Amino acid sequence: EVQLLESGGGLVQPGGSLRLSCAASGFIFNSYTMGWVRQAPGKGLEWVSDINQSGGRTFYADSVRGRFTISRDNSRNTLDLQMTSLRAEDTAVYYCAKARLTGSSYDSWGQGTLVTVSS
Amino acid sequence: DFQMTQSPSSLSASVGDRVTITCRASRDISTSLAWYQQKSGKVPDLLIYQASTLQSGVPSRFSGSGSGTHFTLTISSLQPEDVAFYYCQNYDNAPLTFGGGTKVEI
Repeated sequence: EVQLLESGGGLVQPGGSLRLSCAASGFIFNSYTMGWVRQAPGKGLEWVSDINQSGGRTFYADSVRGRFTISRDNSRNTLDLQMTSLRAEDTAVYYCAKARLTGSSYDSWGQGTLVTVSS
Repeated sequence: DFQMTQSPSSLSASVGDRVTITCRASRDISTSLAWYQQKSGKVPDLLIYQASTLQSGVPSRFSGSGSGTHFTLTISSLQPEDVAFYYCQNYDNAPLTFGGGTKVEI
């Protein structure tokens, strides 16, 4: 059974940094593209970032490019999202998601971790 | 900017009704489109990928169609457990944009 467990969320001041992690199990981690999707309170889904199987190709939404960095450690089956220069509009639940195939839809999602950016 | 426009933003229908949700892409994305269902307080679930392929375990009353820029999600006979938000997503190329969502109520 695929399991994705996010951690690292919390309250941070505007301009601050936070690192989210996602621990994956139940599948061959290094065979799948992984991504992050966020959902602001009461709002819809917003794609944030994707990383390919090797970690050599990364993609970002315009809203986070230059501030967020996605990475993965295939030896530890973990996916990370380093977030810097955080803004109030980054407040959201952040979901870790597994792609069904490379460049594909997400067939498994974590439970999410809440990031609140506020002074 | 690339956009996915979903309509309607909300709908109310009766049990047993046929329900259709539309998603339009601002450029040709072939069939690289997925549909997700998100029930209140829950994580999104993949319903359909490649525009029309039903994810394993999804009831057959759900179906998807379309290609290029125009896509539809159809629920052939709405059930009480289908109350949820529904989102389309492009995965042709980054950004992997989601539609704005459709709230389906009974």
